[in-house]
Amino acid sequence: QQQVKQSPQSLIVQKGGISIINCAYENTAFDYFPWYQQFPGKGPALLIAIRPDVSEKKEGRFTISFNKSAKQFSLHIMDSQPGDSATYFCAARTLTTGNQFYFGTGTSLTVIP
Amino acid sequence: DADVTQTPRNRITKTGKRIMLECSQTKGHDRMYWYRQDPGLGLRLIYYSFDVKDINKGEISDGYSVSRQAQAKFSLSLESAIPNQTALYFCATSDIYGYTFGSGTRLTVV
Repeated sequence: QQQVKQSPQSLIVQKGGISIINCAYENTAFDYFPWYQQFPGKGPALLIAIRPDVSEKKEGRFTISFNKSAKQFSLHIMDSQPGDSATYFCAARTLTTGNQFYFGTGTSLTVIP
Repeated sequence: DADVTQTPRNRITKTGKRIMLECSQTKGHDRMYWYRQDPGLGLRLIYYSFDVKDINKGEISDGYSVSRQAQAKFSLSLESAIPNQTALYFCATSDIYGYTFGSGTRLTVV
């Protein structure tokens, strides 16, 4: 059973547009939600993360929006650039089973010039 | 040096051969993982280890085995490689803030 559901599987956005990737979960024990960015031929790397006590976190052009009541969170990439083309994974952590992370299935983002 | 180093980076092997993928980390983390990545399937957990004496199967452990030689070293073996084990393999470590992944090993079984 997929603990974190991610959509869409792939996304094509024009340069300058907004890319939005969504994730949903059911486990209320999740307490920390990181996003990872993976470029071709590389391992995923931590991009940005949020705790559920805030509704939004922004770092440069990347923003996480978090809706605790809906158990959903999303990554917004403003002014998307071709260099943002990568695969993005959301994840969620629970400490109740000893610090365990669960990953979404990934979104392949292509930003076209 | 990279925090998590995987060797080899690329490997082509024949069906039925035994192959070992190696991973070492300098993060000082107790937890280490092996994942495989296939297009459209995301990251699937093969094995994980919470310390040197603790090894656990992940969701797709059949056909694989692991060895945790030290806190810093975690190797993955394919006992008898088959073509559907062709994939990108990642080693990772974690702390409470998340994962650090290696750069991956691209394995092709012909």
